[in-house]
Amino acid sequence: AQSVTQPDIHITVSEGASLELRCNYSYGATPYLFWYVQSPGQGLQLLLKYFSGDTLVQGIKGFEAEFKRSQSSFNLRKPSVHWSDAAEYFCAVGTHSGGYQKVTFGTGTKLQVIP
Amino acid sequence: DAGVIQSPRHEVTEMGQEVTLRCKPISGHDYLFWYRQTMMRGLELLIYFNNNVPIDDSGMPEDRFSAKMPNASFSTLKIQPSEPRDSAVYFCASSLRNEQFFGPGTRLTVL
Repeated sequence: AQSVTQPDIHITVSEGASLELRCNYSYGATPYLFWYVQSPGQGLQLLLKYFSGDTLVQGIKGFEAEFKRSQSSFNLRKPSVHWSDAAEYFCAVGTHSGGYQKVTFGTGTKLQVIP
Repeated sequence: DAGVIQSPRHEVTEMGQEVTLRCKPISGHDYLFWYRQTMMRGLELLIYFNNNVPIDDSGMPEDRFSAKMPNASFSTLKIQPSEPRDSAVYFCASSLRNEQFFGPGTRLTVL
């Protein structure tokens, strides 16, 4: 069965600083990989996704993520954080099991941005 | 498209009452998911449907919880009877080709 680990529960960065949120997955084959963002009181919004091809994927709001098969990782990055990026970020792994798609979410990383 | 629509957005009820949460998925999507989110347990998958058929309900916490999808454009999650520990935000999501789109959620408070 697949699993997702987000080792950082909470991260604080200064506005304008770079950001990297970690995500590691466990799955026997190449999974589909996603990053979602959840602002307070909102649902989850897709930031970016990796299905195949170029391992560096660009998403919305200036985010990018890199799939590294050798490390089973899909870390999210942003070169310069804005105060509006404060939110909770979820990494997710999608697979097919028994002919049906299945998505497993990580436990989330809360991002705090300080002026 | 309006996205995934959930109603009500907020529900306050008393213990023992029946609660029904509603979801309208994005047209054309073939999967529908129900999640529960709490501070203590994070985001939990309760049940999901494919082409209106329940595929995996192993996340449904108890028999008090039930979900239906009578057609491709409507699903309900029912809790009967409700208990204070059911207080949470309940999300519905729909997907096509693995990408899930979430609704805004229903915040349920059981007193």
